[in-house]
Amino acid sequence: AQKITQTQPGMFVQEKEAVTLDCTYDTSDQSYGLFWYKQPSSGEMIFLIYQGSYDEQNATEGRYSLNFQKARKSANLVISASQLGDSAMYFCAMRGGSGTSYGKLTFGQGTILTVHP
Amino acid sequence: DVKVTQSSRYLVKRTGEKVFLECVQDMDHENMFWYRQDPGLGLRLIYFSYDVKMKEKGDIPEGYSVSREKKERFSLILESASTNQTSMYLCASSLPGLAGELFFGEGSRLTVL
Repeated sequence: AQKITQTQPGMFVQEKEAVTLDCTYDTSDQSYGLFWYKQPSSGEMIFLIYQGSYDEQNATEGRYSLNFQKARKSANLVISASQLGDSAMYFCAMRGGSGTSYGKLTFGQGTILTVHP
Repeated sequence: DVKVTQSSRYLVKRTGEKVFLECVQDMDHENMFWYRQDPGLGLRLIYFSYDVKMKEKGDIPEGYSVSREKKERFSLILESASTNQTSMYLCASSLPGLAGELFFGEGSRLTVL
């Protein structure tokens, strides 16, 4: 069974500073995909970034980067130069690549990020 | 613009009622998912489907069933609603493959009295 753990219920950051949101995962699959989603107070789910388990480079999308450490089974999201609009709930998720986990996308508990001016 | 549409944004039902939550996507996606979202628990997968008439149990399928008769439509059914099924329900769709990102609907907030 696959599992995603986000240990930070809430995080605070000053505007324009960088922040790291933690995510660890557990899977026996060799092939899997990792995602981060943002959910503002409006409730919509916004896709931010994807990392495949065989990708050698860390994924980046604008101010978002994914710090992928395969041996440690961690996939932390780094947001650079935080903006007030980054205040939201952030979810880490994993899609399995084989067996009973194939295609299944499992989410963590989420981290609420608050950006202070 | 790609779209996943959930039929009802807010529903109030009574214990024991049968409840249908409908989801339609216009992206010709093979995969469709139903999640429930509860504070502190994140999104938990109820069922997903990777093709018409195909379904797989997620992590919390008890008390729920699903139907996928057409590719664009995925229905979640609560055979006999209970108060512990009060929640936000999110439908999503994606292309097949590891990298297929999920596109979400706006959610259906169900209250069971």
